[in-house]
Amino acid sequence: DGGITQSPKYLFRKEGQNVTLSCEQNLNHDAMYWYRQDPGQGLRLIYYSQIVNDFQKGDIAEGYSVSREKKESFPLTVTSAQKNPTAFYLCASSSDRGPQHFGDGTRLSIL
Amino acid sequence: AQTVTQSQPEMSVQEAETVTLSCTYDTSESNYYLFWYKQPPSRQMILVIRQEAYKQQNATENRFSVNFQKAAKSFSLKISDSQLGDTAMYFCAFMKGNDYKLSFGAGTTVTVRA
Repeated sequence: DGGITQSPKYLFRKEGQNVTLSCEQNLNHDAMYWYRQDPGQGLRLIYYSQIVNDFQKGDIAEGYSVSREKKESFPLTVTSAQKNPTAFYLCASSSDRGPQHFGDGTRLSIL
Repeated sequence: AQTVTQSQPEMSVQEAETVTLSCTYDTSESNYYLFWYKQPPSRQMILVIRQEAYKQQNATENRFSVNFQKAAKSFSLKISDSQLGDTAMYFCAFMKGNDYKLSFGAGTTVTVRA
């Protein structure tokens, strides 16, 4: 079945550590996105990519980095510069400006 | 950034009844898209309905329908014949016609009571 796979489902970060969240899609979508969701709040855009080897900052990019080396993959790294990383992270993809399809999310916590 | 406002943090409805969720947005754009997404306790985001601003006809999807008032910048969602599986957080979202980015409201938690 076509879809978006995020891994891991749960992730723990130690102080000063970088962690990478995986997002893979087999929908043949050109655009991919990363969102952060805090408890009881809506989604905020971290980064997005319209095509391979290109990406743009969203509203809250500080402390995060991404790469888009393959159409299917858009990993997100939460760096040690992100001082409040505890949140639920959602990856999405879309075809052109069509509706965005979401993965099941990764919950990141601090040890 | 576009502003999307959902003024109802929580709503409760009896099974089989109807509930309407409000959403207003602020934009100077004439070409844009509006969406409603559902996030059940599993946390997965599910597209419920989509509306193109240039279409006057309100979108419907089975028991879900919208009331799109372009001049008032209002985009409410009506859930008819509510079912227990409709219990979820509902998000209104806005996208400019020439953009890829979605702007989300803060969400409305809907609880369907048996």
